[in-house]
Amino acid sequence: DADVTQTPRNRITKTGKRIMLECSQTKGHDRMYWYRQDPGLGLRLIYYSFDVKDINKGEISDGYSVSRQAQAKFSLSLESAIPNQTALYFCATSDFPPRSGGRGNEQFFGPGTRLTVL
Amino acid sequence: QKEVEQDPGPLSVPEGAIVSLNCTYSNSAFQYFMWYRQYSRKGPELLMYTYSSGNKEDGRFTAQVDKSSKYISLFIRDSQPSDSATYLCAMTPNNDMRFGAGTRLTVKP
Repeated sequence: DADVTQTPRNRITKTGKRIMLECSQTKGHDRMYWYRQDPGLGLRLIYYSFDVKDINKGEISDGYSVSRQAQAKFSLSLESAIPNQTALYFCATSDFPPRSGGRGNEQFFGPGTRLTVL
Repeated sequence: QKEVEQDPGPLSVPEGAIVSLNCTYSNSAFQYFMWYRQYSRKGPELLMYTYSSGNKEDGRFTAQVDKSSKYISLFIRDSQPSDSATYLCAMTPNNDMRFGAGTRLTVKP
């Protein structure tokens, strides 16, 4: 079973629509992250959360919002989607400080959501 | 200027070749350095992890960090077709990870 799951895996929507991407994890990690990946730009951090009550903006948070509903769930919303938000979106988790045998700062990624905004 | 620079390639090599992948960075506060491997249609997975300067070897993979030059490298010996993937460097001072653009590698049989 996958430790980090994302839904949906693919989504096509129109400009101006509200979109929610969901992430769930069974790893028991406190830290969760949302990234977007674009060709030539790599992974860029949108938002991150160190626990349920802690939400932080990342490098490119404009146009996005998040909700940490529980330790295991972290959702990303696009309030009014625009075409330049077309990208591959990844959720990730980490366990810091690492438990025995873990590597500090290692992030565990979900399979990604491919979002297309027309 | 980006904090982390990585040549996106693509890079194509024959099976058995030695592959060298590199990143440069500008933030001297970075102290944790990682290489992630990402197969097509998958999320990245941690391949190598190094704290501060030095070398680390794991099988056919060697990671090097030179903090004085702000330069990190990943070497793959005896490359295999199964190594074909995108390799992303990543680094952080503590929590806020910065990734390179990723280098797409193809190893041809």
